[in-house]
Amino acid sequence: SQQGEEDPQALSIQEGENATMNCSYKTSINNLQWYRQNSGRGLVHLILIRSNEREKHSGRLRVTLDTSKKSSSLLITASRAADTASYFCAGNTNAGKSTFGDGTTLTVKP
Amino acid sequence: ETGVTQSPTHLIKTRGQQVTLRCSSQSGHNTVSWYQQALGQGPQFIFQYYREEENGRGNFPPRFSGLQFPNYSSELNVNALELDDSALYLCASSFRQGTPSPLHFGNGTRLTVT
Repeated sequence: SQQGEEDPQALSIQEGENATMNCSYKTSINNLQWYRQNSGRGLVHLILIRSNEREKHSGRLRVTLDTSKKSSSLLITASRAADTASYFCAGNTNAGKSTFGDGTTLTVKP
Repeated sequence: ETGVTQSPTHLIKTRGQQVTLRCSSQSGHNTVSWYQQALGQGPQFIFQYYREEENGRGNFPPRFSGLQFPNYSSELNVNALELDDSALYLCASSFRQGTPSPLHFGNGTRLTVT
């Protein structure tokens, strides 16, 4: 079963707009990570938020974590065409295993 | 700093054959994880190796096996290939010591089983 489930499955926006993706997970986690994947390539780590943190920023990225609701969100501000990719959340357990959802496909139109 | 490299990049095999995929970890990393990613889906955890021993396994049959070598490089072996094994196989390395460490992925091996 998937630890993370992203919502929406697909998102299409104009350049300059903000993009928000949500993730829900099922079991207790040590931390939650967001990754980006360009078509047919490996995943690239974006940001990690620990279970005792509620919000984290990195450049144009803002991640929130609500452990009571077992959910997280990724906000990309002032999107660019180069942000077009699939975005995955992954819950990480104490055993060090990261379990991914099926991702959100983001299309940013120039 | 050398990133994660995987070989080969593409592979075509026939049902019933065996395949070995290879991965070189990022320098300084001591843990390697393997994932299977079917088209349009997220990566599915196959197993993880730490200090040359299997350290966690996902819901994959025993015909999926692996090795980690002293230099932390790794192999994924799949026996008796089935059509459903067609996927992108991703290797990811990380450094395991206390605090959580992000996964560093290679670009994967695209396996097609006919």
